[in-house]
Formats: sequence, C-alpha cells, structure tokens
Amino acid sequence: NAGVTQTPKFQVLKTGQSMTLQCAQDMNHNSMYWYRQDPGMGLRLIYYSASEGTTDKGEVPNGYNVSRLNKREFSLRLESAAPSQTSVYFCASSEVVDTQYFGPGTRLTVL
Amino acid sequence: GQQLNQSPQSMFIQEGEDVSMNCTSSSIFNTWLWYKQDPGEGPVLLIALYKAGELTSNGRLTAQFGITRKDSFLNISASIPSDVGIYFCAGQLSNQFYFGTGTSLTVIP
Repeated sequence: NAGVTQTPKFQVLKTGQSMTLQCAQDMNHNSMYWYRQDPGMGLRLIYYSASEGTTDKGEVPNGYNVSRLNKREFSLRLESAAPSQTSVYFCASSEVVDTQYFGPGTRLTVL
Repeated sequence: GQQLNQSPQSMFIQEGEDVSMNCTSSSIFNTWLWYKQDPGEGPVLLIALYKAGELTSNGRLTAQFGITRKDSFLNISASIPSDVGIYFCAGQLSNQFYFGTGTSLTVIP
C-alpha cells in the first residue's frame, strides 16, 4: 500500500518552461489536493478536487492548472514557469472532508 | 485566505520535558488537525479533532479542539529525540484545509 505518490521528486526549470507534476493515491479517496510550501508560510492550497470530475481553486491558483484524470490521479501543470513558483509541492488525498494524507513532495526550482 | 496563528515559532527543550503549542484563528473551523513534518518528507497526521471541546490523545500526544472552535492546542509529554521536527496545525472548512506556519521543535538529549 503506497499511499500517495508524487513524481518527480526534484525538478529544475528555466523561466517560461512548462511541466506537469503527477500525483496518484491508492486509498480510494474521493478528494485530492495540491499545496505549495514556502519557508515560513506553511502550506497553501493551490487547487483541490472534491470528487472525480470536479476541480476548484484554492488560496493561490494563479499560474497553475489541474486535471483530475480519474479517481486515483490528480496532476498539476505549470504552463509557463516563473521564479516565484520555486517551492515544494505536496499532493494530498482525503475521504470526503476528513483527514488528509500527504505525498513526499516535489522540490521545484525555477531559474 | 484564512489566517492561522501558530505559536511558538520554535522551541528548544531538554529530553524528557513536556511541550505545548497552540493555534488560533479568526475563523471557526469544523475540524482541527495536527501534523508533524520531518525534513524532506510530507506532513504526517498526528491527531484529528472533530467537535468543540474534544480532547484526544495519541500516545504521548494530547490535543484539544477549543470551545469557540477558533483554537486548538497540542501537548507532547516526556519528549524524546525523535520528536524533533516541524509541527503544523490545520483547520478544515468547506472542503478546504488551512495551515499554520509551523512550530519547529528541537529536543536536546
């Protein structure tokens, strides 16, 4: 039972490049989330998906898009990366609006 | 967004001492959660609280959901070296979770 998995673990991009962060969960949870974590700021919600086929903006959605591909997978896309998007990105899943289980994170640097 | 004020920001304690940290908000939450994050890892859930006034324990950890639903505290008794890490509170409201800025705990053997 892997829980929540994320790929890649590390990524370096140049300004303007695009990339997709992948997330998958094997706990059959309905809800999935994408957060970014910056020093001294805790975790901030980018987008979430309450159920398969739905997505909603969180606190800091600008510059990102998401896709809930199926119940297991929720991807985050940066269309044109900016240095301000340098951060650690965490995916999480939960059953309805209960507790959340986090993946190991993707460390992204945008030069 | 919702503001969660978590204090203290950091703590340096001797092994065996008890630890207390808290979280306050200007908003009412339906659920309060406490997480621990080790370096290079994602947060791991420690305790979840679902009702105002609820007091819940998990081993040496005890947490309470404040009566006003705007605050929560976490106590760790008899700290050990593996308690080192960053502790986050989180409040849940309308499908979203809002996190505090974390308390960094260092345990000196």
